[in-house]
Amino acid sequence: DAMVIQNPRYQVTQFGKPVTLSCSQTLNHNVMYWYQQKSSQAPKLLFHYYDKDFNNEADTPDNFQSRRPNTSFCFLDIRSPGLGDAAMYLCATSRGVGAGLLWTEAFFGQGTRLTVV
Amino acid sequence: AQKVTQAQTEISVVEKEDVTLDCVYETRDTTYYLFWYKQPPSGELVFLIRRNSFDEQNEISGRYSWNFQKSTSSFNFTITASQVVDSAVYFCALSELNYGGSQGNLIFGKGTKLSVKP
Repeated sequence: DAMVIQNPRYQVTQFGKPVTLSCSQTLNHNVMYWYQQKSSQAPKLLFHYYDKDFNNEADTPDNFQSRRPNTSFCFLDIRSPGLGDAAMYLCATSRGVGAGLLWTEAFFGQGTRLTVV
Repeated sequence: AQKVTQAQTEISVVEKEDVTLDCVYETRDTTYYLFWYKQPPSGELVFLIRRNSFDEQNEISGRYSWNFQKSTSSFNFTITASQVVDSAVYFCALSELNYGGSQGNLIFGKGTKLSVKP
C-alpha cells in the first residue's frame, strides 16, 4: 500500500495560473519534503517541514510556497507558474528527532508531473 | 562544498551481465549518510540502501552489492546477473547531518540510466 501519496499524478496548468499539488502520508513521519525534478536532472530540494517548522532552501524561488495543515498533509503552491516550472514534483517523508543518526531514510511518493501551457 | 558525481550518464548491458554504477562524493562533514535510490519509469524514488560515514563495511543484498570506500570518497553499486526489471535511473545521494541536514535533505547526483536488454 502506498505510504506517501501524491495527487494528482499529472497536472496541467496555464501559464501564470496558481496551482496546488498535494501530498499525504500514512507513516506519521514528522518531516515532509518537496523536491523538484526537471527532465533528465537530479531531484532538487525546495523546502521541508520539520514538524510545523518551515525550512526553505536558499535558492528556492519565492514563487513556491508550502503549507502543512497537519502531520499527514503537505501542499505545494506555485503562485504564478512559468514554463520553467514544468517538472516532476516529489514529496518525501522521514522521521527524526535531534541528532541525525536517529533518523529514518526518506520515503518518496510517486510524484506529480506538472505541465505548464 | 558538497557534491555527488555520477560520471556514467547511461549504461546499456545485456541481461545476465554484471554492471557497476559509480558514485563519488564530496562533503564538508565528518558525519554523513550515503544512499542509493532507484527511479523506474513510473517516477517514484525507491530506497535501496543507506550507509553512514562510520560504517565502511560492504553490503550485499541478493543481486545487489555496495562498495563504500572513504579513502576514495566512493560508494559504488554493483548489480550481478542483471535483469530487464533492473532498467531504471539510479541516483546516488548524500546527506550531511551537521549542516542543517537530515536523512531526507538529500544532495543527489545526476543519475545513471541503466538499460538492460533481453
